[in-house]
Amino acid sequence: EPEVTQTPSHQVTQMGQEVILRCVPISNHLYFYWYRQILGQKVEFLVSFYNNEISEKSEIFDDQFSVERPDGSNFTLKIRSTKLEDSAMYFCASSAGRRGDQPQHFGDGTRLSIL
Amino acid sequence: GESVGLHLPTLSVQEGDNSIINCAYSNSASDYFIWYKQESGKGPQFIIDIRSNMDKRQGQRVTVLLNKTVKHLSLQIAATQPGDSAVYFCAEILSGGYNKLIFGAGTRLAVHP
Repeated sequence: EPEVTQTPSHQVTQMGQEVILRCVPISNHLYFYWYRQILGQKVEFLVSFYNNEISEKSEIFDDQFSVERPDGSNFTLKIRSTKLEDSAMYFCASSAGRRGDQPQHFGDGTRLSIL
Repeated sequence: GESVGLHLPTLSVQEGDNSIINCAYSNSASDYFIWYKQESGKGPQFIIDIRSNMDKRQGQRVTVLLNKTVKHLSLQIAATQPGDSAVYFCAEILSGGYNKLIFGAGTRLAVHP
């Protein structure tokens, strides 16, 4: 069964440094998403992306965040200058469409630890 | 406002029993409700969804019930197995949106032999 893959599985970064989290969505999917989950808390939406542009973003997704689909297979999340509170699990997801019955499939996440 | 929450943080059941996980939501403008399962160290895994114009949907060993009158969603798992042990999240999708999932807080299901 096709799956979403994320790399690295764990990223440790000094505060203030830039970090790029990588995702390979399911190949025939057109909609891409990033979510994050702070330890012990619920999963929070960050951003959705379609047709090479952001379709929706949350308040969390400020100017320090950006997303990119640099080629036909990768989808990246960049945090420009990391803060301690950016420490979390970051999940990438993809879906075939934007209808509710076209479910989002999640990767296993990247654990980001900011020191 | 946008709010999806869960009644019980932890549910312990015996193997073979049926499990019921509950979820309350506050937003009436939701198109779909979805249940996800999250095992330790893994991402959320889609289980089942239900459209807002339905009140029941069945899958393999799972049933989702939607009561729009009281804004309540439940996931029933029949003949619970040890492999069902995980955290279960309900999520909703608002109508007119771009498929943004709004997750609830999660319920941990512990299945004992």
